[in-house]
Amino acid sequence: DAKTTQPPSMDCAEGRAANLPCNHSTISGNEYVYWYRQIHSQGPQYIIHGLKNNETNEMASLIITEDRKSSTLILPHATLRDTAVYYCIVNRGSTLGRLYFGRGTQLTVWP
Amino acid sequence: EAQVTQNPRYLITVTGKKLTVTCSQNMNHEYMSWYRQDPGLGLRQIYYSMNVEVTDKGDVPEGYKVSRKEKRNFPLILESPSPNQTSLYFCASSPNGVGSGRLNTEAFFGQGTRLTVV
Repeated sequence: DAKTTQPPSMDCAEGRAANLPCNHSTISGNEYVYWYRQIHSQGPQYIIHGLKNNETNEMASLIITEDRKSSTLILPHATLRDTAVYYCIVNRGSTLGRLYFGRGTQLTVWP
Repeated sequence: EAQVTQNPRYLITVTGKKLTVTCSQNMNHEYMSWYRQDPGLGLRQIYYSMNVEVTDKGDVPEGYKVSRKEKRNFPLILESPSPNQTSLYFCASSPNGVGSGRLNTEAFFGQGTRLTVV
């Protein structure tokens, strides 16, 4: 099972920041936190990833707490097109590349 | 355009009739994998391949086969499909194993294949 806990659903007004939390209290020192999203049964789309420093790209920002037990994905100006299921994933195990998806958070952006 | 292409997008078949879902990527990625997605169960990995001729089981490999004869292709084979394999399937590729610590470990997913076995 994925080692992450996310709220099942959230909503956000268009134009406002969407802050999606994720708990990963058992994360190991060499494990990364990844965020993907899936829009209505399309293939998941990579958003961002980080190890311990905060990260920002053109899509989002990732804030990881100092103890690395939780993180927050921030969509600074949510649009209707950001409505999707957002997955927080911690890569685990000795085998490279296995992404363990949990249930994710259904984000609904309303006008 | 960098992409992962799956075919077919939709397929209805009968129990026991062998089928292959193709997956091809044009990014020269080493790592490829297959997932299935079911309501209430999320995305689960079926098989993965770390390079040509190197494949391994994921979490739900029963009833599936894969091969990796070329770097760009990673077909999923159902030798004798059953109704419990009705699902939405995704192929994914990445330059190297996600979480390997190397840069550019983003995984790219195909658009999915919706399979119905009756």
